[in-house]
Amino acid sequence: GESVGLHLPTLSVQEGDNSIINCAYSNSASDYFIWYKQESGKGPQFIIDIRSNMDKRQGQRVTVLLNKTVKHLSLQIAATQPGDSAVYFCAEKAADQGAQKLVFGQGTRLTINP
Amino acid sequence: NAGVTQTPKFRVLKTGQSMTLLCAQDMNHEYMYWYRQDPGMGLRLIHYSVGEGTTAKGEVPDGYNVSRLKKQNFLLGLESAAPSQTSVYFCASSRFGQGLIEQYFGPGTRLTVT
Repeated sequence: GESVGLHLPTLSVQEGDNSIINCAYSNSASDYFIWYKQESGKGPQFIIDIRSNMDKRQGQRVTVLLNKTVKHLSLQIAATQPGDSAVYFCAEKAADQGAQKLVFGQGTRLTINP
Repeated sequence: NAGVTQTPKFRVLKTGQSMTLLCAQDMNHEYMYWYRQDPGMGLRLIHYSVGEGTTAKGEVPDGYNVSRLKKQNFLLGLESAAPSQTSVYFCASSRFGQGLIEQYFGPGTRLTVT
Protein backbone atom coordinates (compact mmCIF):
# COMPACT_ATOMS: atom_id res chain seq x y z
CA GLY A 1 0.00 0.00 0.00
CA GLU A 2 0.95 3.59 -0.10
CA SER A 3 2.71 5.17 2.82
CA VAL A 4 5.03 8.07 3.25
CA GLY A 5 7.30 8.15 6.24
CA LEU A 6 10.00 10.33 7.67
CA HIS A 7 13.25 9.12 9.14
CA LEU A 8 13.37 11.58 12.04
CA PRO A 9 10.51 13.27 13.83
CA THR A 10 12.65 16.20 15.07
CA LEU A 11 15.65 18.10 13.79
CA SER A 12 17.60 20.89 15.48
CA VAL A 13 20.06 23.05 13.57
CA GLN A 14 22.02 26.22 14.22
CA GLU A 15 20.86 29.39 12.60
CA GLY A 16 22.76 29.86 9.37
CA ASP A 17 23.46 26.17 8.87
CA ASN A 18 21.88 24.07 6.16
CA SER A 19 19.06 21.69 7.05
CA ILE A 20 18.24 18.39 5.41
CA ILE A 21 14.89 16.75 6.02
CA ASN A 22 14.41 13.23 4.73
CA CYS A 23 11.38 11.30 3.58
CA ALA A 24 10.88 7.70 2.44
CA TYR A 25 8.01 6.60 0.28
CA SER A 26 6.80 3.14 -0.53
CA ASN A 27 4.81 3.42 -3.75
CA SER A 28 7.16 3.14 -6.71
CA ALA A 29 4.30 4.20 -8.99
CA SER A 30 3.99 7.65 -7.38
CA ASP A 31 4.85 10.29 -9.91
CA TYR A 32 4.60 13.53 -7.98
CA PHE A 33 5.98 14.66 -4.63
CA ILE A 34 5.48 17.82 -2.65
CA TRP A 35 6.82 19.45 0.50
CA TYR A 36 4.71 21.54 2.85
CA LYS A 37 5.65 23.73 5.79
CA GLN A 38 3.29 24.07 8.71
CA GLU A 39 3.82 26.75 11.33
CA SER A 40 2.17 26.46 14.69
CA GLY A 41 -1.56 27.09 14.53
CA LYS A 42 -1.64 27.44 10.76
CA GLY A 43 -2.47 25.35 7.74
CA PRO A 44 0.25 23.74 5.61
CA GLN A 45 1.93 25.98 3.06
CA PHE A 46 3.43 24.80 -0.21
CA ILE A 47 7.23 24.89 -0.40
CA ILE A 48 8.30 22.99 -3.47
CA ASP A 49 7.29 20.03 -5.61
CA ILE A 50 8.96 17.61 -7.98
CA ARG A 51 7.82 15.17 -10.62
CA SER A 52 9.23 11.68 -10.87
CA ASN A 53 10.98 12.44 -14.16
CA MET A 54 13.30 14.81 -12.28
CA ASP A 55 16.09 14.18 -9.75
CA LYS A 56 16.43 17.68 -8.39
CA ARG A 57 14.53 20.91 -8.26
CA GLN A 58 15.58 24.19 -6.73
CA GLY A 59 13.63 27.06 -5.32
CA GLN A 60 14.54 30.03 -3.23
CA ARG A 61 16.86 28.63 -0.51
CA VAL A 62 15.26 25.20 -0.90
CA THR A 63 16.19 22.17 -2.96
CA VAL A 64 14.31 18.90 -3.29
CA LEU A 65 16.17 15.75 -4.26
CA LEU A 66 14.44 12.61 -5.47
CA ASN A 67 16.13 9.21 -5.53
CA LYS A 68 13.72 6.80 -7.17
CA THR A 69 16.08 3.85 -6.82
CA VAL A 70 15.76 3.84 -3.04
CA LYS A 71 12.43 5.69 -2.93
CA HIS A 72 13.81 8.59 -0.97
CA LEU A 73 13.03 12.29 -1.00
CA SER A 74 14.86 15.07 0.77
CA LEU A 75 14.34 18.76 1.38
CA GLN A 76 17.41 20.94 1.80
CA ILE A 77 17.06 24.39 3.29
CA ALA A 78 20.07 26.64 2.89
CA ALA A 79 21.18 29.09 5.57
CA THR A 80 18.29 28.36 7.91
CA GLN A 81 16.61 31.27 9.60
CA PRO A 82 14.40 31.47 12.71
CA GLY A 83 11.39 31.73 10.43
CA ASP A 84 12.13 28.25 9.11
CA SER A 85 11.10 26.71 12.42
CA ALA A 86 8.04 24.61 11.62
CA VAL A 87 6.87 21.10 10.90
CA TYR A 88 7.70 19.92 7.41
CA PHE A 89 5.61 17.31 5.60
CA CYS A 90 6.35 15.40 2.46
CA ALA A 91 3.48 14.01 0.41
CA GLU A 92 3.14 11.88 -2.68
CA LYS A 93 0.44 11.76 -5.26
CA ALA A 94 -1.67 8.69 -4.78
CA ALA A 95 -1.99 6.04 -7.47
CA ASP A 96 -5.64 7.03 -7.99
CA GLN A 97 -4.79 9.82 -10.39
CA GLY A 98 -8.36 10.81 -11.02
CA ALA A 99 -8.67 12.76 -7.83
CA GLN A 100 -5.17 14.16 -7.43
CA LYS A 101 -5.07 12.81 -3.89
CA LEU A 102 -1.99 13.26 -1.74
CA VAL A 103 -0.68 10.89 0.93
CA PHE A 104 1.12 12.74 3.71
CA GLY A 105 4.00 11.66 5.86
CA GLN A 106 4.18 12.04 9.62
CA GLY A 107 6.13 15.30 9.58
CA THR A 108 9.49 16.50 10.91
CA ARG A 109 9.71 19.32 13.41
CA LEU A 110 12.58 21.66 12.54
CA THR A 111 13.93 23.83 15.35
CA ILE A 112 16.44 26.58 14.69
CA ASN A 113 18.87 27.34 17.49
CA PRO A 114 20.23 30.90 17.71
CA ASN B 1 -8.18 36.67 -2.97
CA ALA B 2 -8.90 35.21 0.43
CA GLY B 3 -7.81 31.74 -0.72
CA VAL B 4 -9.30 28.98 1.43
CA THR B 5 -11.29 29.99 4.48
CA GLN B 6 -12.79 27.80 7.20
CA THR B 7 -15.59 28.44 9.65
CA PRO B 8 -15.51 28.17 12.64
CA LYS B 9 -11.93 28.37 13.93
CA PHE B 10 -12.69 26.62 17.22
CA ARG B 11 -15.56 24.53 18.50
CA VAL B 12 -16.33 22.42 21.55
CA LEU B 13 -19.03 19.77 21.27
CA LYS B 14 -20.54 17.30 23.66
CA THR B 15 -20.67 13.65 22.66
CA GLY B 16 -23.66 13.04 20.42
CA GLN B 17 -24.03 16.62 19.22
CA SER B 18 -23.87 17.49 15.56
CA MET B 19 -22.17 20.28 13.67
CA THR B 20 -21.12 21.41 10.21
CA LEU B 21 -17.76 22.83 9.22
CA LEU B 22 -17.75 25.18 6.27
CA CYS B 23 -14.94 25.54 3.76
CA ALA B 24 -14.95 28.18 1.07
CA GLN B 25 -12.46 28.90 -1.72
CA ASP B 26 -12.39 31.78 -4.16
CA MET B 27 -9.84 30.37 -6.61
CA ASN B 28 -12.38 28.57 -8.81
CA HIS B 29 -10.74 25.24 -8.00
CA GLU B 30 -12.42 22.03 -9.09
CA TYR B 31 -11.11 19.77 -6.33
CA MET B 32 -11.70 20.16 -2.63
CA TYR B 33 -10.61 18.02 0.32
CA TRP B 34 -11.20 17.58 4.03
CA TYR B 35 -8.37 16.30 6.23
CA ARG B 36 -7.95 15.69 9.92
CA GLN B 37 -4.68 16.13 11.76
CA ASP B 38 -4.01 14.46 15.08
CA PRO B 39 -1.01 15.20 17.35
CA GLY B 40 2.26 13.91 15.96
CA MET B 41 0.64 12.73 12.78
CA GLY B 42 0.34 13.88 9.23
CA LEU B 43 -2.90 14.77 7.52
CA ARG B 44 -5.40 12.03 6.78
CA LEU B 45 -7.98 12.43 4.06
CA ILE B 46 -11.59 12.21 5.21
CA HIS B 47 -13.58 13.00 2.06
CA TYR B 48 -12.93 14.81 -1.16
CA SER B 49 -14.77 16.22 -4.15
CA VAL B 50 -13.75 16.42 -7.77
CA GLY B 51 -16.48 18.86 -8.71
CA GLU B 52 -19.77 20.44 -7.79
CA GLY B 53 -22.32 17.82 -6.79
CA THR B 54 -19.76 15.03 -6.37
CA THR B 55 -18.13 13.60 -3.26
CA ALA B 56 -16.04 10.54 -2.47
CA LYS B 57 -14.60 8.80 0.58
CA GLY B 58 -11.02 9.19 1.62
CA GLU B 59 -8.91 7.25 4.07
CA VAL B 60 -10.95 7.89 7.25
CA PRO B 61 -14.57 8.69 6.26
CA ASP B 62 -16.49 6.98 9.07
CA GLY B 63 -18.58 9.33 11.20
CA TYR B 64 -18.44 12.17 8.66
CA ASN B 65 -20.57 13.32 5.76
CA VAL B 66 -19.88 15.98 3.15
CA SER B 67 -21.71 17.99 0.56
CA ARG B 68 -20.62 20.18 -2.35
CA LEU B 69 -23.69 21.98 -3.58
CA LYS B 70 -21.69 24.92 -4.89
CA LYS B 71 -18.27 24.80 -6.52
CA GLN B 72 -16.77 27.20 -4.02
CA ASN B 73 -18.05 25.50 -0.86
CA PHE B 74 -17.36 22.13 0.73
CA LEU B 75 -19.19 21.23 3.95
CA LEU B 76 -18.09 18.61 6.48
CA GLY B 77 -20.75 17.27 8.83
CA LEU B 78 -20.55 15.33 12.04
CA GLU B 79 -23.97 13.83 12.80
CA SER B 80 -23.15 12.42 16.24
CA ALA B 81 -19.81 13.63 17.54
CA ALA B 82 -17.51 11.25 19.42
CA PRO B 83 -14.38 12.02 21.49
CA SER B 84 -12.33 10.22 18.82
CA GLN B 85 -13.23 13.04 16.46
CA THR B 86 -11.33 15.56 18.56
CA SER B 87 -8.82 16.86 16.05
CA VAL B 88 -7.79 19.77 13.87
CA TYR B 89 -9.63 19.78 10.57
CA PHE B 90 -8.16 21.26 7.42
CA CYS B 91 -9.82 21.96 4.15
CA ALA B 92 -7.86 22.23 0.93
CA SER B 93 -8.53 22.89 -2.71
CA SER B 94 -6.66 22.37 -5.96
CA ARG B 95 -7.17 23.05 -9.60
CA PHE B 96 -7.48 20.32 -12.17
CA GLY B 97 -4.59 19.95 -14.54
CA GLN B 98 -1.66 17.81 -15.59
CA GLY B 99 0.81 18.04 -12.74
CA LEU B 100 -0.88 21.07 -11.25
CA ILE B 101 -1.95 19.44 -8.03
CA GLU B 102 -0.63 21.77 -5.40
CA GLN B 103 -3.27 21.84 -2.69
CA TYR B 104 -4.01 25.12 -0.96
CA PHE B 105 -4.95 24.79 2.68
CA GLY B 106 -7.21 26.73 4.97
CA PRO B 107 -6.20 27.80 8.50
CA GLY B 108 -7.92 24.86 10.20
CA THR B 109 -10.73 24.26 12.68
CA ARG B 110 -9.85 22.96 16.12
CA LEU B 111 -12.64 20.68 17.35
CA THR B 112 -12.87 19.24 20.83
CA VAL B 113 -15.50 16.63 21.68
CA THR B 114 -16.06 16.06 25.39
